[in-house]
Amino acid sequence: QQQVKQSPQSLIVQKGGISIINCAYENTAFDYFPWYQQFPGKGPALLIAIRPDVSEKKEGRFTISFNKSAKQFSLHIMDSQPGDSATYFCAASMGTYKYIFGTGTRLKVLA
Amino acid sequence: DGGITQSPKYLFRKEGQNVTLSCEQNLNHDAMYWYRQDPGQGLRLIYYSQIVNDFQKGDIAEGYSVSREKKESFPLTVTSAQKNPTAFYLCASSRDRNQPQHFGDGTRLSIL
Repeated sequence: QQQVKQSPQSLIVQKGGISIINCAYENTAFDYFPWYQQFPGKGPALLIAIRPDVSEKKEGRFTISFNKSAKQFSLHIMDSQPGDSATYFCAASMGTYKYIFGTGTRLKVLA
Repeated sequence: DGGITQSPKYLFRKEGQNVTLSCEQNLNHDAMYWYRQDPGQGLRLIYYSQIVNDFQKGDIAEGYSVSREKKESFPLTVTSAQKNPTAFYLCASSRDRNQPQHFGDGTRLSIL
């Protein structure tokens, strides 16, 4: 119930394509869903976050889509660039200090 | 610039030795966290602190200890009781619960 399942584990996309990463959860008490981007040897950086009262949030080329009934949320990276090559983590929180993280998706964007 | 500073970037531990990882933040955040990152396993919470002089165990606290004597600082000690300490350790902070957590650039700990 506390898990967040992230897929795919790895993803290869051509430059200019759309990258899609999915996360699913069971616990309906989760009410905050951030996405992090991590480059090798660096800490995760907050990319974008959403709360369940909205179905979509967009920041630049990054969009979170949220499906409350399906208990799923996804990150879409439009016009993917080689500089987007990184590991992406989804997470969920239920009004506490604890985040539950997905296991990460390694994205490679081919030039 | 506000942020979180972790030091050292690389650390080596000998058998039976305790080592301490430093984490300092100047974001004026009340809450601080320590995570362990292993390949393919995401981030797992070791300890967190809501406020000075208070801290709580996370999911994998065995073999680790922390202190929170100052708002800015949250050092993590990896004790000799932690039998598999090789990992990437990440410190984070947030203004309050259910608020964005901001991470430092980590310390990579290896066994000699």
